[in-house]
Amino acid sequence: GQQVMQIPQYQHVQEGEDFTTYCNSSTTLSNIQWYKQRPGGHPVFLIQLVKSGEVKKQKRLTFQFGEAKKNSSLHITATQTTDVGTYFCAGPGSNYQLIWGAGTKLIIKP
Amino acid sequence: EAEVAQSPRYKITEKSQAVAFWCDPISGHATLYWYRQILGQGPELLVQFQDESVVDDSQLPKDRFSAERLKGVDSTLKIQPAELGDSAMYLCASSLATGVSSYNEQFFGPGTRLTVL
Repeated sequence: GQQVMQIPQYQHVQEGEDFTTYCNSSTTLSNIQWYKQRPGGHPVFLIQLVKSGEVKKQKRLTFQFGEAKKNSSLHITATQTTDVGTYFCAGPGSNYQLIWGAGTKLIIKP
Repeated sequence: EAEVAQSPRYKITEKSQAVAFWCDPISGHATLYWYRQILGQGPELLVQFQDESVVDDSQLPKDRFSAERLKGVDSTLKIQPAELGDSAMYLCASSLATGVSSYNEQFFGPGTRLTVL
């Protein structure tokens, strides 16, 4: 079945370092959404990308959608403790429901 | 700020017992989703409603799971009988728009953590 692959599974960073997670699909996506789930919490919508090559920024977060619309990335500049959590990408499946990646867990080293 | 409500927040049950989860979406949201999330994984869609109609239940184990949204507002997800492998977080989400669901921002409730012993 259709899958959305997300890497890495975990990323340990020092506070102040950058963080990047990548999302890949075997098929072209019409759109992709990104969500954040804090520890013990529920997913919260961050952004949606629709256009080929689209780049959107939210403060320290930069989201990109690939030219072929098969991949996407989220980059966080100068991580803070408030960034801790798991970041998920989600793209449409065959029935237009969302297929979710496994998520990338951002861990701040003590 | 409007939120999706779910209850109970936690449920511990023994295998072969029946369990039920309740969800009240944000007022006015026509689309309601039930997801299952296993620890360390992304949410997996179980069932999607558009008003009171099921639009996708392809991943719902229908031999033991059932879901209803009788009046197109709140919804109940039932498992009977529960199995050990059903232990997971059950998340309810809702969205406002009635178009293609993959374009719709989804708002999640706090979830029900189910433990089957």
